[in-house]
Parts: sequence; C-alpha cells; structure tokens
Amino acid sequence: ETGVTQTPRHLVMGMTNKKSLKCEQHLGHNAMYWYKQSAKKPLELMFVYNFKEQTENNSVPSRFSPECPNSSHLFLHLHTLQPEDSALYLCASSQAQGIGQPQHFGDGTRLSIL
Amino acid sequence: AQTVTQSQPEMSVQEAETVTLSCTYDTSESDYYLFWYKQPPSRQMILVIRQEAYKQQNATENRFSVNFQKAAKSFSLKISDSQLGDAAMYFCAYRTGGTSYGKLTFGQGTILTVHP
Repeated sequence: ETGVTQTPRHLVMGMTNKKSLKCEQHLGHNAMYWYKQSAKKPLELMFVYNFKEQTENNSVPSRFSPECPNSSHLFLHLHTLQPEDSALYLCASSQAQGIGQPQHFGDGTRLSIL
Repeated sequence: AQTVTQSQPEMSVQEAETVTLSCTYDTSESDYYLFWYKQPPSRQMILVIRQEAYKQQNATENRFSVNFQKAAKSFSLKISDSQLGDAAMYFCAYRTGGTSYGKLTFGQGTILTVHP
C-alpha cells in the first residue's frame, strides 16, 4: 500500500486518441502534483493543486489538461499528444501546509505515444 | 530560478563500503529545503533524507547522512555499509521555503550500482 495509487500503470495511445490518467491518495493530503519523467532528463513539475485549486502550471502545453475534483483525486486528461510526450508520468501528494513536508509519489503511468 | 546539478551520472560501490553522491544547487533564497530521493527500477520515488537550510547540523537517517555546505551550495549524500537494496537512481531535490507550496526542482539523477 503506497498511499498514492496511479492508474493505469501502462498506456499506449495514438496521437489522435483521448485518454485520462488517474491518481488517488489515501494520506489525507491537500496538495497533489503531476510530474513528467523522460529518459535522461530531470523530473519536470507539470501542475500543482492545493485544496483543489491549481497553483502551478509550468508552461505545460494545452494538450495536457489537469482536473482535481477533490483533495484525494487528480486526473490528467490527454488529447492530441505528440511522440515526445512518451514518458513516465508521476503523481505525488503532500500536506499543503507546513513546508518541509515531503512528497509521496505513486508508481507512475508509463505512457507511449504511437 | 533555482537549479540543481548532479555531476555524476553513474556511481558504483562494493557491498559494505561507503559511497558519496554529489549535488550542488543555485539559489538566491535563504530559506529552503533539500532532499534526496531514491527511485528503484520501476518503482516509486522514496524519500531518503531531508535537510532544512536553516539547520547547521547535517541530517542523518541510519546509514544515510548528508554533508550540507550552505555557503558552497553543496548537498552530498553519503551511504555507509552499502547494501544491494541501495541500488537505484538517486535524485537530489530543492524545495523553496517560500509560498510556492511543495514545488520541487530535481537534479538529473545518479544511477548507483552496488556490487556484491
């Protein structure tokens, strides 16, 4: 039980498809994050939500659309993706307050764009 | 903007020996946090150790310790008595101490191999 669960674990999609990644945390946290991890690159922060409100968008292309219906769930809606979007997408959560609280990560969704 | 640099793409160590992973960062802030995360193959990120910038004492967690040199903006991780389970990708991360909740900046990572 990791506390942060991501589904699906693997996803293969064409460039014209629409799919969604799901993240759920059972830790009572109020902040949730999406990261992209590409081969040979540092982790890239994509989006941050605090108490369901988006507080960070690191210049992410509009083909990635996040949704946070409540503090326990986070989605990443995908449409018209490009081959360079193939990567591991990691979700994380942390306490919104009390800086210094570490982030807890899920196992990630391995996304492949054909 | 903050940057984090890990200059060692790969490191190796013999089981039971000690290894040090390097990390440097660049920031103009005085209040921040530093972390080392471990990512085993195909598994989630695991927090190994963290350091508050305002604390002079180096953090220690069992076999893991850091050498935090604030003036030099250096934050190295020492793993003592290395075990096979320590093999993983290690990421150094910086977190602002300001109002940007939880925003982490990661280094490029260091792959650690442990030889039996």
